[in-house]
Amino acid sequence: QKEVEQNSGPLSVPEGAIASLNCTYSDRGSQSFFWYRQYSGKSPELIMSIYSNGDKEDGRFTAQLNKASQYVSLLIRDSQPSDSATYLCAVNVNAGGTSYGKLTFGQGTILTVHP
Amino acid sequence: DVKVTQSSRYLVKRTGEKVFLECVQDMDHENMFWYRQDPGLGLRLIYFSYDVKMKEKGDIPEGYSVSREKKERFSLILESASTNQTSMYLCASSHGTSGDFSYEQYFGPGTRLTVT
Repeated sequence: QKEVEQNSGPLSVPEGAIASLNCTYSDRGSQSFFWYRQYSGKSPELIMSIYSNGDKEDGRFTAQLNKASQYVSLLIRDSQPSDSATYLCAVNVNAGGTSYGKLTFGQGTILTVHP
Repeated sequence: DVKVTQSSRYLVKRTGEKVFLECVQDMDHENMFWYRQDPGLGLRLIYFSYDVKMKEKGDIPEGYSVSREKKERFSLILESASTNQTSMYLCASSHGTSGDFSYEQYFGPGTRLTVT
């Protein structure tokens, strides 16, 4: 089983719809969770961080974390064509406090928002 | 704003050459990372460093070495470049030490290296 898995995609949604991206992780010691957006040919850009169970909202983005079920999701409301990108889920395991900030990344989900 | 810079956006080298990729961050981050990204394989960690002169192997260290002589600078070295090292190389940095959960990583723009 991969440590961090994302829904395979690609995901296509119409403009104005809600895009839902999902990620599951295998290690129960995981403490920090991140969503990155990566445009084609560019480097990943951090868009959301979440550390505790529940929802965290930032503009049109909402991250949801459920540690009991070991999943984290990203909702994008009112999707725009400019949201078309690959979205990477990343997880940090902080077991014993010696992870030094290593993140494990999922393979990414390609999102296309069509007008 | 966090700023991570990489020495080159595009680089073309010949097989057998020694290649240096430089990364500089301006946020006094303790942790720095080198990844490579290839289609279908995702982001793979090559090496990371949690302090000056400290380094740890990542998932794919073979054929690479690193140097961190100053806190803000982390170099990736390809001792003898090979065609299978053609890739996008990404540097990242993060704040945070033991017990700190933040660990948000910020990436540089990347270096697309082609080895011919």
